[in-house]
Amino acid sequence: DPKIIQKPKYLVAVTGSEKILICEQYLGHNAMYWYRQSAKKPLEFMFSYSYQKLMDNQTASSRFQPQSSKKNHLDLQITALKPDDSATYFCASSQELENTLYFGAGTRLSVL
Amino acid sequence: GDQVEQSPSALSLHEGTGSALRCNFTTTMRAVQWFRKNSRGSLINLFYLASGTKENGRLKSAFDSKERYSTLHIRDAQLEDSGTYFCAAESQGGRALIFGTGTTVSVSP
Repeated sequence: DPKIIQKPKYLVAVTGSEKILICEQYLGHNAMYWYRQSAKKPLEFMFSYSYQKLMDNQTASSRFQPQSSKKNHLDLQITALKPDDSATYFCASSQELENTLYFGAGTRLSVL
Repeated sequence: GDQVEQSPSALSLHEGTGSALRCNFTTTMRAVQWFRKNSRGSLINLFYLASGTKENGRLKSAFDSKERYSTLHIRDAQLEDSGTYFCAAESQGGRALIFGTGTTVSVSP
């Protein structure tokens, strides 16, 4: 059974709309992350959270907003979507910030 | 900025043979992780190293922070070893992981 659940698996959106990517982990971890992989680019770190607090933000745009309603949830809200936002977004978690990462299967977002 | 250069980008192996993947770092890194992407797209953690070497079955990884590189050796390759492998490094000053571009490994009979 997957321990890190990302929903949906695929998402198609129109330019200018807003979407929320869901991530829940059942590993009892205290740190959660978002990564993005665009076509032909390396996986790129976006955010890290520890005990539901933002620890690191490498995303230039404020259109990307993580939301942590519970300790084991870290959703990603994306507003004013652009075609360049098309990518696979991976959620990850670790016991603490500097431990081994475990990844979800990703949400593939296509913005038309 | 900090960068991770992973090579080769693609690797073809016959069953039973072996080879190595390598990541070079432009600066001193604190730790390195190696992942394999599975058929569902998840990244499966293979190794986490802050120094030295680790071995798990037919896989062995080494990390030399001073010389700025890490390697992943596959020996006695099996068909199920096919997939895309990524290294990711933690820089000294930050918590973010910097990923390499991946190596697609194809193992054939």
